[in-house]
Amino acid sequence: EVQVEQSGAEVKKPGATVKISCKVSGNTLGAYNVYWIQQAPGKGLEWLGLVRPGGGTLYAEHFHGRVTLTVDRSIDTAYMELTSLRSEDTAVYYCAIDRDYQVLPYIDWGQGTRVTVSS
Amino acid sequence: IALTQSPGILSLSPGEKAALSCRASQRVRSSYLAWYQQKLGQAPRLLFYGASGRAPGIPDRFTGSGSGTDFTLTISRLEPEDFAVYYCLHYGDSAPHTFGQGTKLEIK
Repeated sequence: EVQVEQSGAEVKKPGATVKISCKVSGNTLGAYNVYWIQQAPGKGLEWLGLVRPGGGTLYAEHFHGRVTLTVDRSIDTAYMELTSLRSEDTAVYYCAIDRDYQVLPYIDWGQGTRVTVSS
Repeated sequence: IALTQSPGILSLSPGEKAALSCRASQRVRSSYLAWYQQKLGQAPRLLFYGASGRAPGIPDRFTGSGSGTDFTLTISRLEPEDFAVYYCLHYGDSAPHTFGQGTKLEIK
C-alpha cells in the first residue's frame, strides 16, 4: 500500500521562501506523477503544478515564476518551493500522486502542510 | 479550461437525491474530468475519473456522468456521511489542470 507523508507546518515572514516535502513509501516515487494543490483557509482547491516521472513539469500560470517542483528519486521525495511569500499564500498545501492519470488520477494524497505567512 | 460548479451550496436531507453540476468553458477531451469529495480537515478523495469511472471503494449510490462541456455527479440517496464539499477537476496531458470552485452539500 502506497503512503504519502508531507513535512510539518511552517511559519514564514513575507518575502521568505518555503520548501515542502512529500515522501512516498510502499513504492518508488519515480513511477508516479506528483501534483501540488493549494487550499487557502475556507477556500477551494487551486492547482499549482505537476512533475511527471520523466521529470517534465507543468505550472499554473498564476504561480509561474514563484513555484519550483522537484523530485529526488533516490529518497522517493518530491518538493515544492514557493518564493516571495505573501499573506495570500497562507494555506494548506497538498501533494497528490498517480501512476497513470488516465486511470485513477490523484488517487493518493498527503495529509497536507499548513503554511502561515505573517510578519 | 475553466470549470464552473453549481450550485455553490446545496441543502438537502438524508435520503434525498443530489445532483451537482460541473460545466467546462471548452470541450473536455477524452472526458478527462474527475470528481473529488472533501470532508472538513481531510484531504480530498477521488470519486470518479474519465467522467464516469468509479474509483475503488466508492458506493454505487454515487454516479458520474456527462461529456463535452457538461458533467454531473449524482448521489441517489444521501447518507449522513455524504455531506461534504465536492470538486470537479479537469486533467490531461498538455495543459495546466483546473479545479472547479466546489459545491458544498449541507444538511437541510
